[in-house]
Amino acid sequence: GENVEQHPSTLSVQEGDSAVIKCTYSDSASNYFPWYKQELGKGPQLIIDIRSNVGEKKDQRIAVTLNKTAKHFSLHITETQPEDSAVYFCAALSSGGSYIPTFGRGTSLIVHP
Amino acid sequence: GAGVSQSPRYKVTKRGQDVALRCDPISGHVSLYWYRQALGQGPEFLTYFNYEAQQDKSGLPNDRFSAERPEGSISTLTIQRTEQRDSAMYRCASSQPLNEQFFGPGTRLTVL
Repeated sequence: GENVEQHPSTLSVQEGDSAVIKCTYSDSASNYFPWYKQELGKGPQLIIDIRSNVGEKKDQRIAVTLNKTAKHFSLHITETQPEDSAVYFCAALSSGGSYIPTFGRGTSLIVHP
Repeated sequence: GAGVSQSPRYKVTKRGQDVALRCDPISGHVSLYWYRQALGQGPEFLTYFNYEAQQDKSGLPNDRFSAERPEGSISTLTIQRTEQRDSAMYRCASSQPLNEQFFGPGTRLTVL
């Protein structure tokens, strides 16, 4: 089955700095990579995703990159704000299957004002 | 409803008791997923339904765990003879087929 590794487990930055979270996956059949933000007391919420036919995708201050050869993908947040503080999860799945994601262990991002 | 709801939000039970956790998906969503999330971990797949049919239950840890969705809407995850190791956050998500999953707030289960 799929195995997703996520680093770092915690990330502390100053407001305005950039934050990068990295994930690796093991199953070459995985072709869809969503990122979720989980705020305290809430369930994970999809914030951005990328498919294997694309190398990079950007949405305002967040961007994702994918290196399919190396089987790793990353989340980049620029100009971080205190409200970006949350736990972020990466996931990998095959969109041709049952659409069941395998999640990383999560990164707790703390943005200090 | 506006989103996925789960009840109860918190459940404390004694070892050996049965518990039933409820998920109310977004109206009209075909697919419903159950996950378990331990502290400091990502959600771990348990089982999922399309309409009322259970499509995959490979993630259920053992036969004390079962789930149903008899009318293709509300789902119940039942844990029989609970053990301390069952303590975790149980999350439900719903979606249209092969589409973005929307997660509920979860039920925090504590087994004493």
